[in-house]
Amino acid sequence: GESVGLHLPTLSVQEGDNSIINCAYSNSASDYFIWYKQESGKGPQFIIDIRSNMDKRQGQRVTVLLNKTVKHLSLQIAATQPGDSAVYFCAENIVGTYKYIFGTGTRLKVLA
Amino acid sequence: NAGVTQTPKFQVLKTGQSMTLQCAQDMNHNSMYWYRQDPGMGLRLIYYSASEGTTDKGEVPNGYNVSRLNKREFSLRLESAAPSQTSVYFCASSPGLGLTDTQYFGPGTRLTVL
Repeated sequence: GESVGLHLPTLSVQEGDNSIINCAYSNSASDYFIWYKQESGKGPQFIIDIRSNMDKRQGQRVTVLLNKTVKHLSLQIAATQPGDSAVYFCAENIVGTYKYIFGTGTRLKVLA
Repeated sequence: NAGVTQTPKFQVLKTGQSMTLQCAQDMNHNSMYWYRQDPGMGLRLIYYSASEGTTDKGEVPNGYNVSRLNKREFSLRLESAAPSQTSVYFCASSPGLGLTDTQYFGPGTRLTVL
């Protein structure tokens, strides 16, 4: 089975509730951020991104919030569904460079 | 449109054996990357290719070599596998236009070195 992520922090939410997953990024010069979803045994899947000139960006059932003052990123998932169960991690980048810094992730468990 | 594909999905090697991990993308992306993912750690960059014909070392290149065969394909070679190279390997690609350059990942290769 998938051994990556055995010791990740876990967020358990009831189906239908909203989920909030947090990420502290490391480089104050980073100006582009991505949230990825990784299901067991699969590769990371792009969810949503945001540039540093924005504080908030919305997608379908997902919202990303960026607080540059405290170097904090959050992912909000509305009406969480069983299919949302996965590991979520953030990535930061300086636009124009090839270096990404990836977080270790949070495991989201959706309870029926 | 398959996106990023990787072969094989699983591999078991003995210490000292060699192998090549294959990656291909059909999104006409310029840039391609190889990462490894280990428990408790974020993805770490092994090598990347900003464009066809160029390759550069990432954060953890020791023990690996790469070849950008053409615009579509980017392979990762382990010349003499070691147990420390047991990991999940992901290939990614991005447009590479120098703007917000979103990376898209393949399904991964799970490698065990005994």
